[in-house]
Amino acid sequence: KAGVTQTPRYLIKTRGQQVTLSCSPISGHRSVSWYQQTPGQGLQFLFEYFSETQRNKGNFPGRFSGRQFSNSRSEMNVSTLELGDSALYLCASSSQVSGPYEQYFGPGTRLTVT
Amino acid sequence: DQQVKQNSPSLSVQEGRISILNCDYTNSMFDYFLWYKKYPAEGPTFLISISSIKDKNEDGRFTVFLNKSAKHLSLHIVPSQPGDSAVYFCAASARDDYKLSFGAGTTVTVRA
Repeated sequence: KAGVTQTPRYLIKTRGQQVTLSCSPISGHRSVSWYQQTPGQGLQFLFEYFSETQRNKGNFPGRFSGRQFSNSRSEMNVSTLELGDSALYLCASSSQVSGPYEQYFGPGTRLTVT
Repeated sequence: DQQVKQNSPSLSVQEGRISILNCDYTNSMFDYFLWYKKYPAEGPTFLISISSIKDKNEDGRFTVFLNKSAKHLSLHIVPSQPGDSAVYFCAASARDDYKLSFGAGTTVTVRA
């Protein structure tokens, strides 16, 4: 079974621009989560989607948004980019509907804001 | 507010010996705990998990121990191999919270 895929793998943007990252979960997985990894803050939860509904959101400004499509693929968008948004953005998928569960991660998208 | 803490940023161990990684948590609502391994330029890879109703879970060379009263868990790797050199993250979740809270990670180096 193919793993979680993320595109693009690397991205360079300028301050003030916006960016869209894409994630395709493992086949059959309906839950998709997004995390931001930075050297200073570690892995921070952004949001989680299940069946096109956002079930939880982390403590990030409204510039960070996401959505999930009917095929479970997900996108996240960051508007008005700031230098501090430079990070590795990780997508994870899970087959669990509820309760405790394992998440399986993609390779990430490395975003650099200049 | 860091609810999951890995207080040792690094660990160096000789090949063949045991690696012990520690993790503490503060949120009593956490009821599921996981360990992930991460190589540079890759996403975290799931290693092993444990539910709060257990105190031990074993999978091959990896064993996770949970001490709920102390809010502490540990990962034992026996024997350690060079391929185990990576960053290890402890993570925790609460029922129906739909998110993982991660520790800062411990970099393990296995010496030949």
